[in-house]
Amino acid sequence: AQTVTQSQPEMSVQEAETVTLSCTYDTSESDYYLFWYKQPPSRQMILVIRQEAYKQQNATENRFSVNFQKAAKSFSLKISDSQLGDAAMYFCAYRTQGGSEKLVFGKGMKLTVNP
Amino acid sequence: EAQVTQNPRYLITVTGKKLTVTCSQNMNHEYMSWYRQDPGLGLRQIYYSMNVEVTDKGDVPEGYKVSRKEKRNFPLILESPSPNQTSLYFCASSFVGTPLQETQYFGPGTRLLVL
Repeated sequence: AQTVTQSQPEMSVQEAETVTLSCTYDTSESDYYLFWYKQPPSRQMILVIRQEAYKQQNATENRFSVNFQKAAKSFSLKISDSQLGDAAMYFCAYRTQGGSEKLVFGKGMKLTVNP
Repeated sequence: EAQVTQNPRYLITVTGKKLTVTCSQNMNHEYMSWYRQDPGLGLRQIYYSMNVEVTDKGDVPEGYKVSRKEKRNFPLILESPSPNQTSLYFCASSFVGTPLQETQYFGPGTRLLVL
């Protein structure tokens, strides 16, 4: 079974600085998808960024980018120019192809942004 | 506006009183799923549906039922709720089959308290 590990339960960053959130996963599959979701205090789950495992190029969405290391099974999220609105829980998630199509989530990491 | 809606958003009930949490999506997604979120555990899949009349158990199905009579709706039924079902529940949906359509979109969540 696939597992997702977020080893840091909490992090903090100064406004305008850069922070990297780590995530590792375990799978025997070769094709899959990886996601970062943001959960602000409203509890809404918001997709931040996605990465297809067959793509070598790291995904980027504005201030958010990933460092995808397939061999190491690592999928970190970098937030540049951090803003107060980035404060939230962040969840790393893995989605298999076929079968239940479920998302397997890490336990989450709380990001605090200090002004 | 493309969205996943859930009702109710908040619910307090008593042990044993049957309840239904509705989920509806307007994106013509084949795939729908229910997750529960508990502190320190991330999100775990309860049930999922690949299409109308096709449902299957996720990782934590005990105490829950679902049905998929229409493509847009996927209600979660608790026949006899117990306090250990107190949780935050999310409905999610997505297309199936092509890499670009693998992203799951989440509803706003339903916070359930069973006394």
